[in-house]
Amino acid sequence: DTEVTQTPKHLVMGMTNKKSLKCEQHMGHRAMYWYKQKAKKPPELMFVYSYEKLSINESVPSRFSPECPNSSLLNLHLHALQPEDSALYLCASSQEVIPYYGYTFGSGTRLTVV
Amino acid sequence: ELKVEQNPLFLSMQEGKNYTIYCNYSTTSDRLYWYRQDPGKSLESLFVLLSNGAVKQEGRLMASLDTKARLSTLHITAAVHDLSATYFCAVDLVEATGKSTFGDGTTLTVKP
Repeated sequence: DTEVTQTPKHLVMGMTNKKSLKCEQHMGHRAMYWYKQKAKKPPELMFVYSYEKLSINESVPSRFSPECPNSSLLNLHLHALQPEDSALYLCASSQEVIPYYGYTFGSGTRLTVV
Repeated sequence: ELKVEQNPLFLSMQEGKNYTIYCNYSTTSDRLYWYRQDPGKSLESLFVLLSNGAVKQEGRLMASLDTKARLSTLHITAAVHDLSATYFCAVDLVEATGKSTFGDGTTLTVKP
């Protein structure tokens, strides 16, 4: 298995909703990442988990809450989002935090906040 | 703060032609990545460049890294329509592992 699987692929949520994005990999990678990508822009790093511990938080608003329950799974909990949070959310993983073999990206969750 | 600049941002080329995309970065790094992104899709890893002078080739694409000049190039040989996509370079900070900074991307359109 050489994939990073993200679910759901599409999500529409209201500003008062609570939802979660899920990311799973079974490659034995020890680092996992959340990125946000707005249309026609490059991805922006949000969070980095290394060995299931949060190692980087890029000053992301608290309405985004990451969770790493185990080495294969990464969640992003969403609460009270704003319409400007609508974007493609990408999960990635790498063998180690120094990614000598690069990063593997999931197919993304396209989030629309209404 | 690490800055990564790609140029050109938009590139329209005819099939069969050659062209180069440039990626400049502002601080010391020895880890640079090239990705391809099709519209509405995720990022596909193309090349991982980890040392000065590294050169990698896959099909019609060849990437190189000059860490002294802080420059990477992605060369396209004899372009075909299927290469139409957005290409990103990304650079890791040496002192902040796992923290990739992306260039703004080069949108390539190959016309018949």
